[in-house]
Amino acid sequence: AQSVTQLGSHVSVSEGALVLLRCNYSSSVPPYLFWYVQYPNQGLQLLLKYTTGATLVKGINGFEAEFKKSETSFHLTKPSAHMSDAAEYFCAVRLTGGGNKLTFGTGTQLKVEL
Amino acid sequence: EAQVTQNPRYLITVTGKKLTVTCSQNMNHEYMSWYRQDPGLGLRQIYYSMNVEVTDKGDVPEGYKVSRKEKRNFPLILESPSPNQTSLYFCASIPWGLAGGQTDTQYFGPGTRLTVL
Repeated sequence: AQSVTQLGSHVSVSEGALVLLRCNYSSSVPPYLFWYVQYPNQGLQLLLKYTTGATLVKGINGFEAEFKKSETSFHLTKPSAHMSDAAEYFCAVRLTGGGNKLTFGTGTQLKVEL
Repeated sequence: EAQVTQNPRYLITVTGKKLTVTCSQNMNHEYMSWYRQDPGLGLRQIYYSMNVEVTDKGDVPEGYKVSRKEKRNFPLILESPSPNQTSLYFCASIPWGLAGGQTDTQYFGPGTRLTVL
């Protein structure tokens, strides 16, 4: 069975600072990994995903994430935070080889301060 | 416009009063799914459907029913709602591609906030 751990339910950064949201996964087979963003009162929107190939993936709004198999991690980063990045971010994993079940982490609320 | 729609967006009801939350997608996707979102727990899958007349339980199916009579619709039914079903519910869909849909993105609806008193 797969699982996802997001370290830090709340992260606060200053505008212009680096954003780092941590995600570690547990999976017995190579996973597909996703980051979703949820703005207040909205549904989830895909930021980026890793399936195969290049381990550094770029997403929308300047976000990127790197798949590190040895560390079982898929941390989300953005070099310079913007006020509009304030939202809740979810990491999710889906196993290769069967099914479409997404297992989500518990989410990280990102606050961006002036 | 490609989208997943849910209705109603907000619902307050009382214990035991049957309700249905509708979900519809216009992308001809085979796979559809229901999740509930609770603070500190992330999203948990309730039920999913691989295609018409094919449904299966997710992680938290107790107290819920679903049906898939048409490809575009996947209603969530609470026969006898209880306060512990107060939550934010999301419907999602995926195209089932040649690779079994495994690399495809899940498209989420806007959510239905349900309160059971």
